[in-house]
Amino acid sequence: NAGVTQTPKFQVLKTGQSMTLQCAQDMNHEYMSWYRQDPGMGLRLIHYSVGAGITDQGEVPNGYNVSRSTTEDFPLRLLSAAPSQTSVYFCASRPQGITGELFFGEGSRLTVL
Amino acid sequence: GENVEQHPSTLSVQEGDSAVIKCTYSDSASNYFPWYKQELGKRPQLIIDIRSNVGEKKDQRIAVTLNKTAKHFSLHITETQPEDSAVYFCAADLNRDDKIIFGKGTRLHILP
Repeated sequence: NAGVTQTPKFQVLKTGQSMTLQCAQDMNHEYMSWYRQDPGMGLRLIHYSVGAGITDQGEVPNGYNVSRSTTEDFPLRLLSAAPSQTSVYFCASRPQGITGELFFGEGSRLTVL
Repeated sequence: GENVEQHPSTLSVQEGDSAVIKCTYSDSASNYFPWYKQELGKRPQLIIDIRSNVGEKKDQRIAVTLNKTAKHFSLHITETQPEDSAVYFCAADLNRDDKIIFGKGTRLHILP
């Protein structure tokens, strides 16, 4: 089991560029989510999904899009990157309908110049 | 929506002493309260959790208490060791809408 796999681990973008952060899990978890981590701000929920075809907004969704076409994958898209999106991004998953441990990926550090 | 507040933001304790981190939550329907530890450069990992039908849970040197009436929950670490130095996050899970909201974190320093 690889668990939750995020790519890329590091990325530098210029303002206005677009990119996709990939997240895949091999644990057959229905629930997947994206968080961003900024100094002093903790982990803030961007978007989440409770199953294929279902997504919903978290605390800070503006500037980000998501889709969930399969159980395994939950990509996060930045359509027009801004310096305020410089952050460390974590994908996390767990079985749906069961309150329990969130399994995090290793994180993706994004810098927008 | 759910809001989780965590205090203090930074905590320094002498090795061997105890550390306490406190969180409050806003939505009384929250029913699951996990604590995550994040070492420098690593991903957050679950260290202990408590559900709303339990008042206290202990696992070796760490314990969590929950006061549902006051909407408070706390992490207690006894006999602290250097490897306890990390950032700790509390979270509240509102099962009805599947949002898991985290506090802003506490950076714990264990002093030699």
